[in-house]
Amino acid sequence: KAGVTQTPRYLIKTRGQQVTLSCSPISGHRSVSWYQQTPGQGLQFLFEYFSETQRNKGNFPGRFSGRQFSNSRSEMNVSTLELGDSALYLCASSRQENTGELFFGEGSRLTVL
Amino acid sequence: AQSVTQPDIHITVSEGASLELRCNYSYGATPYLFWYVQSPGQGLQLLLKYFSGDTLVQGIKGFEAEFKRSQSSFNLRKPSVHWSDAAEYFCAVAPTEYGNKLVFGAGTILRVKS
Repeated sequence: KAGVTQTPRYLIKTRGQQVTLSCSPISGHRSVSWYQQTPGQGLQFLFEYFSETQRNKGNFPGRFSGRQFSNSRSEMNVSTLELGDSALYLCASSRQENTGELFFGEGSRLTVL
Repeated sequence: AQSVTQPDIHITVSEGASLELRCNYSYGATPYLFWYVQSPGQGLQLLLKYFSGDTLVQGIKGFEAEFKRSQSSFNLRKPSVHWSDAAEYFCAVAPTEYGNKLVFGAGTILRVKS
């Protein structure tokens, strides 16, 4: 069965722009989580959506937002990009909440110039 | 606040040798505990998890981990390493009420020499 699909895989933006990343979870999975991975800060939790509702949010500024659609697909948006937003953004899906059994996509690598 | 410490940034082992990757966590209660592996250019893959019960858990690819409450540790082991095990390994914890909100350690990069 297909895994977690993230698009785009690579993108380059300039400071001040905004970006939208997309994630298609494994079929039947209703929870989608987003993580940011950087060399300096490592893996950090952004937010989790379940049944179109945000369940949890990490310690990121309001420029980072997300949503989930009725088919469980999710998008995250970063507005007013800063250099420090350059990172690998990983999406993970899970069948249910509170399992910790996350299936990760290969990520979207964002470079901010 | 929860935290996870992986004291070894890099570890090099010979193929066929045993492996132990260390993980210590800080949390008020016993959290959910996980080990994930990330190969270059890939996402993370769950190796094993501990929720409760037997403190020795078996995972995929021949890995196992032991939960020691007294030491707040969850070390990952493998009796015989294969060259394909070279990757970065992450220990993670999550509160039982928010099991998908993982806090990851900094990771340990495993190199396997032939």
